[in-house]
Amino acid sequence: SQQGEEDPQALSIQEGENATMNCSYKTSINNLQWYRQNSGRGLVHLILIRSNEREKHSGRLRVTLDTSKKSSSLLITASRAADTASYFCATAFDSPYAGGTSYGKLTFGQGTILTVHP
Amino acid sequence: EPEVTQTPSHQVTQMGQEVILRCVPISNHLYFYWYRQILGQKVEFLVSFYNNEISEKSEIFDDQFSVERPDGSNFTLKIRSTKLEDSAMYFCASSERVVREKLFFGSGTQLSVL
Repeated sequence: SQQGEEDPQALSIQEGENATMNCSYKTSINNLQWYRQNSGRGLVHLILIRSNEREKHSGRLRVTLDTSKKSSSLLITASRAADTASYFCATAFDSPYAGGTSYGKLTFGQGTILTVHP
Repeated sequence: EPEVTQTPSHQVTQMGQEVILRCVPISNHLYFYWYRQILGQKVEFLVSFYNNEISEKSEIFDDQFSVERPDGSNFTLKIRSTKLEDSAMYFCASSERVVREKLFFGSGTQLSVL
């Protein structure tokens, strides 16, 4: 089955450093998304990269996608204490259900807990 | 910025009781979802809903679960007879138009089954 698996499971850095989180998956995807979750709160969408894209930027975020290796990475540059949260990758894939479309089913990874020390 | 709202934020119930979790998706969104996260585990897909019917559901979403859009704004998840293992954070989400786009999640309902 398709899974997103992140590593590392936990990452602790100092403010100003860069944080890199990786995600691997098993099956073909339509897109891969990264979400952030503050403790006890909902998931906030950060960035979406489609299977035909290799790199995408949004502010201090940079996402890469390597479909040949079935992996993605999320880089947060110049981290801040406020970036402390759990980060999840989630994959969306085409399914034969309902005429070849997938209605938003995302498969989430286990997540990386990022702690940024001031 | 528009947001998905969920009520209640916490729900405690006795095993075997019925619970209804409520969600108000973003008003112009057409696709609605429920996910859940058991403590310390992955976020898991339960069900997607479009055009007043279930589009897709997971193995978790058995006959004890049902969803409904009773009016133009609310989206509910009902668990008919709760089990201990239903204890989890339940997230509602919605998306604007087409499939395979980003989801907007609510803050969740923490369900505790005793």
